[in-house]
Amino acid sequence: GAGVSQSPSNKVTEKGKDVELRCDPISGHTALYWYRQSLGQGLEFLIYFQGNSAPDKSGLPSDRFSAERTGGSVSTLTIQRTQQEDSAVYLCASSFAPPGNTIYFGEGSWLTVV
Amino acid sequence: QQPVQSPQAVILREGEDAVINCSSSKALYSVHWYRQKHGEAPVFLMILLKGGEQKGHEKISASFNEKKQQSSLYLTASQLSYSGTYFCGTEIYDDKIIFGKGTRLHILP
Repeated sequence: GAGVSQSPSNKVTEKGKDVELRCDPISGHTALYWYRQSLGQGLEFLIYFQGNSAPDKSGLPSDRFSAERTGGSVSTLTIQRTQQEDSAVYLCASSFAPPGNTIYFGEGSWLTVV
Repeated sequence: QQPVQSPQAVILREGEDAVINCSSSKALYSVHWYRQKHGEAPVFLMILLKGGEQKGHEKISASFNEKKQQSSLYLTASQLSYSGTYFCGTEIYDDKIIFGKGTRLHILP
C-alpha cells in the first residue's frame, strides 16, 4: 500500500482479555518498528524487526507482550491479559534497511482497557 | 540511551524563531526529526546522517555535531502550522531508533 497500515484503529477491551494489533508496512520496507505512546507522553520503543527476525526486543514492557512478523511483511503485536496501564496508542513504523533511512509511521492503534 | 531534548516546551509568537536541541550519550549514525500534532501520527521532517548528508523538507533546517553527539532543529519565522510536539530520534549504527521525550511548541497569532 501507499503507507503503513494499522488495524484496528481503535480497540476497547476489558481488563484481562488478549488483544492483537496488526501492522502492514510499506511495500519493500525490511525494517519494522513498534512504539507505544501513552497520553501526552513520548514515543516508547517496544520492538524492532529486520526481516522476520527481531534483533531487539528490549523494549517489551513485560512477558505479556509479544510480537511476530511473517513473510518479511505483516507484523502482529499481541498483548495478553491486558491491564489498564496498557491503554495507549500503539504506533508501527517501517523503513528500508537501516541505518540511515527514514521511518514512516502508521496512524496507530488506540487501545483502551476498561 | 534515550536522547535528551531541550527545551521541554516553547511558546512563540508567529514570526519568531526557535531552536530545539537533542543530545545523546552514544556515538550516533543518524538523527531523525519528527513533528506530531495532537491525535495524529508523527510526520517526518529531516534526517541528518554521519558524514554530513541531510534529507528533509526545504523549509526546515537542522545541524548535527557528530563529535558532541548533538543535533539542533531551527524553526525560523514560525507559522501557526508549526505548532505541535517535536521529537528527535537517534540511531546507532544498524540499531533501533530511540526517541526523546519531545518538545512541545505552541505558536500564538
